[in-house]
Amino acid sequence: QSALTQPASVSGSPGQSITISCTGTSSDVGSYNLVSWYQQHPGKAPKLMIYEVSKRPSGVSNRFSGSKSGNTASLTISGLQAEDEADYYCCSYAGSSTNVVFGGGTKLTVL
Amino acid sequence: EVQLVESGGGLVQPGRSLRLSCAASGFTFDDYAMHWVRQAPGKGLEWVSGISWNSGSIGYADSVKGRFTISRDNAKNSLYLQMNSLRAEDTALYYCAKVTGPVGATTFDYWGQGTLVTVSS
Repeated sequence: QSALTQPASVSGSPGQSITISCTGTSSDVGSYNLVSWYQQHPGKAPKLMIYEVSKRPSGVSNRFSGSKSGNTASLTISGLQAEDEADYYCCSYAGSSTNVVFGGGTKLTVL
Repeated sequence: EVQLVESGGGLVQPGRSLRLSCAASGFTFDDYAMHWVRQAPGKGLEWVSGISWNSGSIGYADSVKGRFTISRDNAKNSLYLQMNSLRAEDTALYYCAKVTGPVGATTFDYWGQGTLVTVSS
């Protein structure tokens, strides 16, 4: 149950696009289209932003998109806004009926 | 409105036990699997344990296997985490989280606000 690998930090200016990568293995990200992404502001509970690799829950801006290639999933945020500044975590099903693995988290700074 | 309210956290000495509870409302509790996810101070999210809708499928992170026990009472719309032999590294904010299906789903669509567990002498 090793954590998925994310960059510790990324940054971008308002209006720009950024991409956060999430690298796993053939036992988790690579085998299942069950990658989700969560946004967490300081002192708050995580919020679901993307599920099943690229689906957006109702109410989440279409500036957020997800994709996957092999063992690496990605979250792209376009048209960066100040309120996007937060920590982002990826998550994947890890091969049993209940096992789950998270990424280490990426701090997004909007310059 | 879906609500998940955790309780039972607190300060506990190493080696002792604690039982967390999560009261669920706003959805049909026994239609969904439920999970516990924790976050140590200043650290990332760590999956702890999950239980299917009928308790027939249960999983644990290696870090808690053999020490923690997850359970649920569908009649009371409640989720529990019995934590034994607590260690300093178990210090964290423990979140209760709902997933989108009865078993096997790993999309956490609703989270509680968490209950803080501090393990220290």
